[in-house]
Amino acid sequence: GENVEQHPSTLSVQEGDSAVIKCTYSDSASNYFPWYKQELGKRPQLIIDIRSNVGEKKDQRIAVTLNKTAKHFSLHITETQPEDSAVYFCAASFPGAGSYQLTFGKGTKLSVIP
Amino acid sequence: DVKVTQSSRYLVKRTGEKVFLECVQDMDHENMFWYRQDPGLGLRLIYFSYDVKMKEKGDIPEGYSVSREKKERFSLILESASTNQTSMYLCASSPRQGGYTFGSGTRLTVV
Repeated sequence: GENVEQHPSTLSVQEGDSAVIKCTYSDSASNYFPWYKQELGKRPQLIIDIRSNVGEKKDQRIAVTLNKTAKHFSLHITETQPEDSAVYFCAASFPGAGSYQLTFGKGTKLSVIP
Repeated sequence: DVKVTQSSRYLVKRTGEKVFLECVQDMDHENMFWYRQDPGLGLRLIYFSYDVKMKEKGDIPEGYSVSREKKERFSLILESASTNQTSMYLCASSPRQGGYTFGSGTRLTVV
């Protein structure tokens, strides 16, 4: 099955700096890579995703890059703000049995220091 | 506008009890999933379903079963609860090919 490694497990940055979270995956058939943000006590929410036919995707201060050859993808957050503090999960998915099954990384706890 | 609803936010059960966790979605999604979330271990897939009455084992199905009699409802069953099943349980749904929408979670404590 798929295996997703996520680094770092914790990350502290000063407000206004950039944050980068990296993930690697094992199954070359994986073709969908979402990122979820989970604030304390709340449900994980999709913040951005990328499919394997795209190398980069941006949404305001958030961007995701994908290197299919190396089987890794990264989340970039620029101009970080205190409300960016949360746990971020990457995931990889391959189509199987008619559905997408997501395998998640173990999460990165991001703390933005005012 | 909550779209994936889990029946209980907090639950305390005794060892050996049969426990039912319910999840309902109103987005007409084909796929539904049950994950458990533990500190340092992330989200681990227990079971999933891609159609009514269909179910597939995830990575950690031991000690659990599921039921999907209607498209909108996916139930997780702990046949005989044990203390190592104390965890946060997250339900999610998705369209055939798309991202998940998660429920708010059920924090289960088995004593």
